[in-house]
Amino acid sequence: EIVLTQSPGTLSLSPGESAALSCRASQSLSTKYLAWYQQKPGQAPRLLIYSASSRATGVPDRFSGSGSGTDFTLTVTRLEPEDFAVYYCQQYFSSPYNFGQGTKLEIK
Amino acid sequence: QVQLQESGPGLVKPSETLSLTCTVSGYSISSGYYWGWIRQPPGKGLEWIGSISHSANTYYNPSLKSRVTISVDPSMNQFSLQLSSLTAADTAVYFCARALLGTRGGFDPWGQGTLVTVSS
Repeated sequence: EIVLTQSPGTLSLSPGESAALSCRASQSLSTKYLAWYQQKPGQAPRLLIYSASSRATGVPDRFSGSGSGTDFTLTVTRLEPEDFAVYYCQQYFSSPYNFGQGTKLEIK
Repeated sequence: QVQLQESGPGLVKPSETLSLTCTVSGYSISSGYYWGWIRQPPGKGLEWIGSISHSANTYYNPSLKSRVTISVDPSMNQFSLQLSSLTAADTAVYFCARALLGTRGGFDPWGQGTLVTVSS
């Protein structure tokens, strides 16, 4: 079973700044089957990034994903007020398709 | 566009079986893709429950496998979740979602979710 560890647990930043969220896998994801989701209170998660670096339809180019193997990063530049939310990574390379525990991006 | 909607009871008793249905609109389940269930306990993270194909091939999370059954009804454009032997730990928002093309576990889009409370 692949375990995903996200860091930091909470990230406090101001609008206009940039955020880097980390997701580390316990085993290599050789197919880069790694997704990032954004979740706001009371809402379903929204797919942002798939295959580690491909943006989902309608996602602003301020969001970008990178990484391979066991280390992946979601970068959000020029933070907007609506970007403050919880972010989850998920691997869909090997069942069970586990999620990370989440990173909360909060307004400083 | 593809839309998913969960339906089912909001309150179930301990030891009973939960049954939820996901109705898909804007896309025919028979045309392909895998379809999944994910849950989220209040204030906690996301847990993948399982996925099913249009031809009823299933993949379950081993942590729940002994209690989970996912089925599909292409004629109704629906797929369903049954979870047995419920305890308070099964209290969660349950989401249904479509997997990414060619995969079983990346999900887009998602239903809005339905809160299920396990309590006597």
